[in-house]
Amino acid sequence: ETGVTQSPTHLIKTRGQQVTLRCSSQSGHNTVSWYQQALGQGPQFIFQYYREEENGRGNFPPRFSGLQFPNYSSELNVNALELDDSALYLCASSPLGRGTYTFGSGTRLTVV
Amino acid sequence: ELKVEQNPLFLSMQEGKNYTIYCNYSTTSDRLYWYRQDPGKSLESLFVLLSNGAVKQEGRLMASLDTKARLSTLHITAAVHDLSATYFCAVDGREYGNKLVFGAGTILRVKS
Repeated sequence: ETGVTQSPTHLIKTRGQQVTLRCSSQSGHNTVSWYQQALGQGPQFIFQYYREEENGRGNFPPRFSGLQFPNYSSELNVNALELDDSALYLCASSPLGRGTYTFGSGTRLTVV
Repeated sequence: ELKVEQNPLFLSMQEGKNYTIYCNYSTTSDRLYWYRQDPGKSLESLFVLLSNGAVKQEGRLMASLDTKARLSTLHITAAVHDLSATYFCAVDGREYGNKLVFGAGTILRVKS
């Protein structure tokens, strides 16, 4: 059984740039959710993808967008980066509605 | 409003002592989760609680759920230094839009 893999592990971007983060899904899981965790805070839900469609979204602006691919892997794209986007980005895969979440190791994004 | 509140937010305790972390949530949930996070790392699943009165134990940690009071507790018995970490509770379910809603976390420091 494979776990959830995220890439890259760390990256540094300049304000205004765009970034793409990637996440594989655990075998047998058809849903991927993305969370943003700012320093010292709990993770905040960004959005969830199921069957390649967005299936719920948190309170994040449209410059946060995503994709899910036929193999259930996913991308998170953030445009026009702001300093406040600096955070740990976590993805979690799960079977839809089953409540069995497997988290990846995260991507630490620093915006300077 | 969907809220998950943890207290205390910071807990400093001596090795060998017992203590409890509390987690209150605002709306009926399907599941209650406890996670551990070490600095700079991802989330490690500790417990998933499904029903009223559920109790789970692993080592020095025991979690319980009272769905009527919308309260979960994480009890630490005879703390050891290795338990030092941040602990999050989270809930999900239809009322929460099938996403995890996290508390702010409890930073636990166990002093030798």
